[in-house]
Amino acid sequence: GQQLNQSPQSMFIQEGEDVSMNCTSSSIFNTWLWYKQDPGEGPVLLIALYKAGELTSNGRLTAQFGITRKDSFLNISASIPSDVGIYFCAVHTGNQFYFGTGTSLTVIP
Amino acid sequence: EAGVAQSPRYKIIEKRQSVAFWCNPISGHATLYWYQQILGQGPKLLIQFQNNGVVDDSQLPKDRFSAERLKGVDSTLKIQPAKLEDSAVYLCASSFGGGSHYGYTFGSGTRLTVV
Repeated sequence: GQQLNQSPQSMFIQEGEDVSMNCTSSSIFNTWLWYKQDPGEGPVLLIALYKAGELTSNGRLTAQFGITRKDSFLNISASIPSDVGIYFCAVHTGNQFYFGTGTSLTVIP
Repeated sequence: EAGVAQSPRYKIIEKRQSVAFWCNPISGHATLYWYQQILGQGPKLLIQFQNNGVVDDSQLPKDRFSAERLKGVDSTLKIQPAKLEDSAVYLCASSFGGGSHYGYTFGSGTRLTVV
């Protein structure tokens, strides 16, 4: 399967701070996705990216599709306690989805 | 719209026992997926169904895992016999069609602990 490496592995931040995380691959992909997984739940789609260089926002979340098509970045501005969870990048190729290793976010009130 | 339903939510079994999980996808979703998510990792696809046919089961350990979707609606995933390394969350997902993330929805998962 495809290897997607996410960093950092975990983050502990104060409420109100901005967050940045990224995902890299050795292969080129045409669709990058970002999901959030709350404890005890399945992942939920946050943002989908379809074009190299594309920058897409969803509320306080902004994601970018890397120009090389081998990476993507997710930023969260002004974090709040409900941002806590695990963030996964994913790529879509053929009929399959491949998920990254995840970034665990803890927001301290 | 009802989501993807999975049961049970939790299951604890001893190694070498058998276990089965059930999934009911969103109405009208032709494609159904089973994922295994080991603690600290992302979900890994085990098997993908299109209606009642298997599209991809290349990562399913077929010596002990089996899955079926007989009527093209709900699905069961079985492990027989279970091993300690099978401890994980088993997620079911469904979508309108294969190969698209549109409408792709995950269930809450079944957490399996093998002791």
